[in-house]
Parts: sequence; structure tokens; C-alpha cells
Amino acid sequence: NAGVTQTPKFQVLKTGQSMTLQCAQDMNHNSMYWYRQDPGMGLRLIYYSASEGTTDKGEVPNGYNVSRLNKREFSLRLESAAPSQTSVYFCASSATGTGWDTQYFGPGTRLTVL
Amino acid sequence: AQKVTQAQTEISVVEKEDVTLDCVYETRDTTYYLFWYKQPPSGELVFLIRRNSFDEQNEISGRYSWNFQKSTSSFNFTITASQVVDSAVYFCALSERVPMDSNYQLIWGAGTKLIIKP
Repeated sequence: NAGVTQTPKFQVLKTGQSMTLQCAQDMNHNSMYWYRQDPGMGLRLIYYSASEGTTDKGEVPNGYNVSRLNKREFSLRLESAAPSQTSVYFCASSATGTGWDTQYFGPGTRLTVL
Repeated sequence: AQKVTQAQTEISVVEKEDVTLDCVYETRDTTYYLFWYKQPPSGELVFLIRRNSFDEQNEISGRYSWNFQKSTSSFNFTITASQVVDSAVYFCALSERVPMDSNYQLIWGAGTKLIIKP
């Protein structure tokens, strides 16, 4: 079991470039999440997918889009990267998305936008 | 409004000392859930514990213990006889229902960086 995997681990972009962060889980979880982590702050939710076929905005969705490709995969796209999107991005999954559910995290993607 | 407050930005102690990390939360829900996660220097996020709002029993797991008090909206984490390997950033998080929705969201504190000196 790999758990939650993310690619790439590191990425440097120039302002205006686009890219997609990939996330996959092998735990047969229904719910998946994308967070960003900035220095001195806790994680902030960008988008989540409560179940296959649904996506919803989180706290900081502007500048991002997501796709729940299938039950395993949930991608995050930056259409036109900005320096303010420099951050560490974490993908997570949970079995059902209920309040009691534990979220399990991938190793993170460190993104720098110049 | 800040929903999860971890007032201690950084704590530094000498190995074998006991240390308590504070977490204060704010919610209007009667049903909610609290979590602690650890983020070691390698960067991954590791789940430590979860509690629901109806269970105020303290929990002990080896050198780790958690004190949940609804009266003060606190969920504090104590490490007894700290070790260098405990050095990490520790996050407290609150799971509550999204307004007008049936889904839940995790609201995170800013984290406490714990440094254990040998």
C-alpha cells in the first residue's frame, strides 16, 4: 500500500505558466482534498471532492481548478501561476468525508513561482 | 474569525523535560471532532489522535497524552520525557460541518514548532 502519492515533489514555474499536480490514493477512499501550507499558517483547504463525480470549493479556491478523474485520482491545476501561489501543496484522502474520518496525507509538492 | 488557536508559535525544551502544547478552538456545533497531527522535518503529516465532542476522557498513548476540556474549549497535548525525535511542528485541527452542506471540513491551527535539545 502506497497510501497517498503526489507528483511532482518539487516544481519551479514562471509567472503565467500552467501546471497540474497529480494525486492518487490506493485506500479505496471516497473523499479527497487539496490543501496549501504557507509559512506560519496551518493548512488551508483549496478544493475537495466528497465522492467521485463531485467537487467543491474550500477556503482558498481562486486561481485553481480540480478534476476528480476517478475514485483514485484527484488533480489540481494552476492555469496561470502567480508568485502568491508559491506554497507546499498537500493532497489528502479519507474514507467517507464524515467529521470523524481521519484524513491521510501525501508527501507534498513544493511549488515555487518566480 | 480564528477557529483554532495554537498560541505557542515555538517551544524549545531540553530532552527529558515534559512539554504541553496548547490548542483552543471555537465552534457553534454541538457535534464536532478534534485532531492532532505531527509534521516532522521531513515534511509529511502524520495523524496522532482524534476525539469527538461527546468524549471528554483523557487519552494516553505511551509518552503522549491529551486533555480535552469542553468547558474551556481546549484540547491540549502533553509529551512526557521528551526526546529529540519529538522535534516537529504539531497541528491541532477542528472538524466541523460546512454551512448549508452535509460535508465536514478540517480547520487547522497555525501549528507549534517543538524543538527538543539534546
